[in-house]
Amino acid sequence: RKEVEQDPGPFNVPEGATVAFNCTYSNSASQSFFWYRQDCRKEPKLLMSVYSSGNEDGRFTAQLNRASQYISLLIRDSKLSDSATYLCVVIPSYSGAGSYQLTFGKGTKLSVIP
Amino acid sequence: DADVTQTPRNRITKTGKRIMLECSQTKGHDRMYWYRQDPGLGLRLIYYSFDVKDINKGEISDGYSVSRQAQAKFSLSLESAIPNQTALYFCATSDYWSAGSTDTQYFGPGTRLTVL
Repeated sequence: RKEVEQDPGPFNVPEGATVAFNCTYSNSASQSFFWYRQDCRKEPKLLMSVYSSGNEDGRFTAQLNRASQYISLLIRDSKLSDSATYLCVVIPSYSGAGSYQLTFGKGTKLSVIP
Repeated sequence: DADVTQTPRNRITKTGKRIMLECSQTKGHDRMYWYRQDPGLGLRLIYYSFDVKDINKGEISDGYSVSRQAQAKFSLSLESAIPNQTALYFCATSDYWSAGSTDTQYFGPGTRLTVL
């Protein structure tokens, strides 16, 4: 099983739709989780952190399921401007300098269609 | 002005040439990283540095070297470029991380490198 896996998509959804992405991780000791957004040919930018209790930021909701080892991102009322690739990031337990293991998923591409 | 800058933004070079990609940051972060991104492979860590005297290999360091000239500067070198090093290269910084904390990565705009 790969360390971090995402469905590459593309997810093609109409404006106003609700869409959800999952990201599974293999290291059960993983501590920190994030969702990044990357527009075409641009740098990734932090979208939101993922907390154990789940968190919401406007139309975006992130959740963590430690038992099943996945994180999710829910986007409600999709906008054309939400079209991008969404990357999940997983950081395992800190094990000291020299063994940094932050891992990016390969990303899920979302296209919101008028 | 951007917090993390990269130069050059685009570069075309030939096999065997030595190339240096430079990264500067004004965020005051101690930690800096170099990644490459390839279609279908995602972002992969090349080297990282937790402070000026610390250099560590990442997942794919072969064929690359780095230099941390100052807290704000971290350069990546390809001593003898080869075509499979054609990729989009990103520099990133982060603030202090420890168990239970966060390690948000702030990326530069990227350098598109083509090796012919």
